[in-house]
Formats: sequence, structure tokens, C-alpha cells
Amino acid sequence: DAGITQSPRHKVTETGTPVTLRCHQTENHRYMYWYRQDPGHGLRLIHYSYGVKDTDKGEVSDGYSVSRSKTEDFLLTLESATSSQTSVYFCAISLGQGRFTEAFFGQGTRLTVV
Amino acid sequence: GESVGLHLPTLSVQEGDNSIINCAYSNSASDYFIWYKQESGKGPQFIIDIRSNMDKRQGQRVTVLLNKTVKHLSLQIAATQPGDSAVYFCAENSGGSNYKLTFGKGTLLTVNP
Repeated sequence: DAGITQSPRHKVTETGTPVTLRCHQTENHRYMYWYRQDPGHGLRLIHYSYGVKDTDKGEVSDGYSVSRSKTEDFLLTLESATSSQTSVYFCAISLGQGRFTEAFFGQGTRLTVV
Repeated sequence: GESVGLHLPTLSVQEGDNSIINCAYSNSASDYFIWYKQESGKGPQFIIDIRSNMDKRQGQRVTVLLNKTVKHLSLQIAATQPGDSAVYFCAENSGGSNYKLTFGKGTLLTVNP
């Protein structure tokens, strides 16, 4: 078990409020990712990180920001939540050192914006 | 738009039959592919992977086939069991120095007892 914890697991928030989701890993893996999953779209990459304070955008990064001040924590922030950001959010890590390595996923956070 | 996979199709099989799940990819630069299984309410779980220098790779009850000529990937599950019921995703790494995966939209596999 790669030891990923996502928190919270469920959240309901109001439109316009800021929201932060947390991903915590216990094994010092370098690469961490945030995906969102929506019906008909599969998993889409929001942001990823390749080290402390090193982050980059994915394909659906608008409206999201991330931070990684420690190896073990990768935070996803919705600055001003919108209903279109209602989704299931998954954190993932790359298990190996090389590029040919699978991503290991957390259990997900279900976010509802009302 | 999507570079990997199809609109979510559904595959229904009888217990004990073999299942074949297909995936098309469009990026000819992709050199690493992964199949994931996702059960309801859970995160995706790794099943098997394959690099582009291979055509076939086998695991326990699963086989992945890669046809680079037509940019097609398939997952074969032998002797399908009710516990195999899930959504299956293919994912690709498009090469270069990045570690990003692009996912298809998934296939829902239903196994009938």
C-alpha cells in the first residue's frame, strides 16, 4: 500500500467559497497528481507536482491552484468554487523513479458545489 | 478532445467467459500504456502495463495486447468472474520527460453469474 490519504472524503460547499483538498502520502514519492473524474470524461489531469514547490498545469487547470510545501502533502485549492467543479477528485502518485511507472490512486474526494 | 479511448461502452459477459476490452489511442508518440480497474466508490487500481517495445504482456488472468500500427490496445481477461465487474480505463504516457498519464473514458464490464 503506497499510503495515500485524501481529505476530506466528502464535502458540500456553496458557490463562490474557497475549498482546499488535501493529499497526503507517507513514502516520499516525488511525483504527485490531482485528477478530476466526471461522467463521460474519464479522468482528467488538473495539476501535478514533480517536487517540493515544483508544480505544473494539466489539461483542466482553470479555476484551480496547487501547492506543495512538503514532499508528503499536495494541496488542491478551488479559489471560488463553481457548480462546474462538482466532481470526484483523485490524488495519485508515481510509485517508481523512472517514467515507466504506474500511478497509484487515493480513494477520492467527492465535492459538491451548490 | 480525448486522445485515448472511446465514449464509455458497456460489455456484458457470462461468468467463466473471456472478456476483451478495447482502447484506441491517437498519439503515435505514446510509449507506455496502463490498464486500470475502478470499482464503484473507489480509486482506479493498476492491473497491467506495457511499453511500446512490446506487443504482448501477460499477468495473472490478464493479457494486454498492443498494436502500434493501428494504435490499438486491448485487455483480455480470462475466465471472467463477478469480482471483475468494474469500469476499466486505459491510460497512456505520451513520451518525453513528463510523467503525465492521459486516460480514456472507460468501459463498464458487467459479469453475469
